[in-house]
Amino acid sequence: AQSVTQLGSHVSVSEGALVLLRCNYSSSVPPYLFWYVQYPNQGLQLLLKYTSAATLVKGINGFEAEFKKSETSFHLTKPSAHMSDAAEYFCAVSVFTGGGNKLTFGTGTQLKVEL
Amino acid sequence: DAGVTQSPTHLIKTRGQQVTLRCSPKSGHDTVSWYQQALGQGPQFIFQYYEEEERQRGNFPDRFSGHQFPNYSSELNVNALLLGDSALYLCASSPDRFGEQFFGPGTRLTVL
Repeated sequence: AQSVTQLGSHVSVSEGALVLLRCNYSSSVPPYLFWYVQYPNQGLQLLLKYTSAATLVKGINGFEAEFKKSETSFHLTKPSAHMSDAAEYFCAVSVFTGGGNKLTFGTGTQLKVEL
Repeated sequence: DAGVTQSPTHLIKTRGQQVTLRCSPKSGHDTVSWYQQALGQGPQFIFQYYEEEERQRGNFPDRFSGHQFPNYSSELNVNALLLGDSALYLCASSPDRFGEQFFGPGTRLTVL
């Protein structure tokens, strides 16, 4: 079964510092991987996705992620954190069946950005 | 272009009651998926509708049922509500069964 694991339920960084949120996946087939962001009392917004093309994926708001098959990882990074980045971030893997496609999410990482 | 919309925004029910949540997909999308997000957790897949039929289902009891209408909008019904059903219910639409999913703002259900 395909799954993702997010290491660190809470991450705190200073404004301007590097953001690194970790995600490892388990999949018997080449995975489609996603990062979503969720602001308080809102739905999920797609930050970026990996669909077996380039291994370095650039997303919105300056975020990027690198797919590393040897490490089964898809970590999310941003060179310089901004206060507006404070939110919850979810890594997800797409699970394809005969019926369709469903997303399996990690448990989330709450990002706090401090002055 | 309106994105995915959901109604109501918030809902309070008591144990044993029944609830219906509604979702209108993004224009051009024909597939709707529903997810349950308990407090402090990641979303969990409930089921997916395409061509007015449930095509796949997650690990949820039969108390959870759904419907898709000819205009592709969808309803999620939950019967015999339990306290544990309190959660944010997210609807996602996609251009087809295998396409990228776009999420709505969710409906916050509180069961007392």
